[in-house]
Amino acid sequence: QKEVEQNSGPLSVPEGAIASLNCTYSDRGSQSFFWYRQYSGKSPELIMFIYSNGDKEDGRFTAQLNKASQYVSLLIRDSQPSDSATYLCAVKGFETAGNKLTFGGGTRVLVKP
Amino acid sequence: GAVVSQHPSRVICKSGTSVKIECRSLDFQATTMFWYRQFPKQSLMLMATSNEGSKATYEQGVEKDKFLINHASLTLSTLTVTSAHPEDSSFYICSASFRVGLNTEAFFGQGTRLTVV
Repeated sequence: QKEVEQNSGPLSVPEGAIASLNCTYSDRGSQSFFWYRQYSGKSPELIMFIYSNGDKEDGRFTAQLNKASQYVSLLIRDSQPSDSATYLCAVKGFETAGNKLTFGGGTRVLVKP
Repeated sequence: GAVVSQHPSRVICKSGTSVKIECRSLDFQATTMFWYRQFPKQSLMLMATSNEGSKATYEQGVEKDKFLINHASLTLSTLTVTSAHPEDSSFYICSASFRVGLNTEAFFGQGTRLTVV
């Protein structure tokens, strides 16, 4: 079982709709959770991070964390064609040496005009 | 967010030569830097963790004699791909982390596209 799992997609979303991305992780002691966006051929850029159970909103993005279910999600409201990218979920585990992140395989999102 | 500068962005080299990639944190001191490799349509795979002034910790399956990491200061880490071969062609990305309160954030460099011919 992979440590961090994501549906590879592509997730096709009409412009203006909500894109919902899911991520599950295996290390129950994980403490920090991150969502990165990566455009083709580019380096990942941090969108959001979340440390506590519940929702965290930043602009059109909302991260949701449920540690009991070992589940973190990202909602993108009012999706735009520029949101088309691969979204990477990353987890920093309590038992992980140093500060290294474990990445999921990424979900490719396509926002259609 | 914090700025991490990686150089060069693209490099083409001949098989058997060595390539050095630099990663600099421009506006903060990075306690730790990470080196990742990403093959097409795959996720980032951690190669090694680099701490300033100490030897890098390599992930399983990564040859430390082939991928030399030097972390000479809190703002600079270098990755040297020695005796490069075509199968080393990949997208190499560094990340630098620092503490924000009780938590740690990581920011990525722009990445280096290495092509070995």
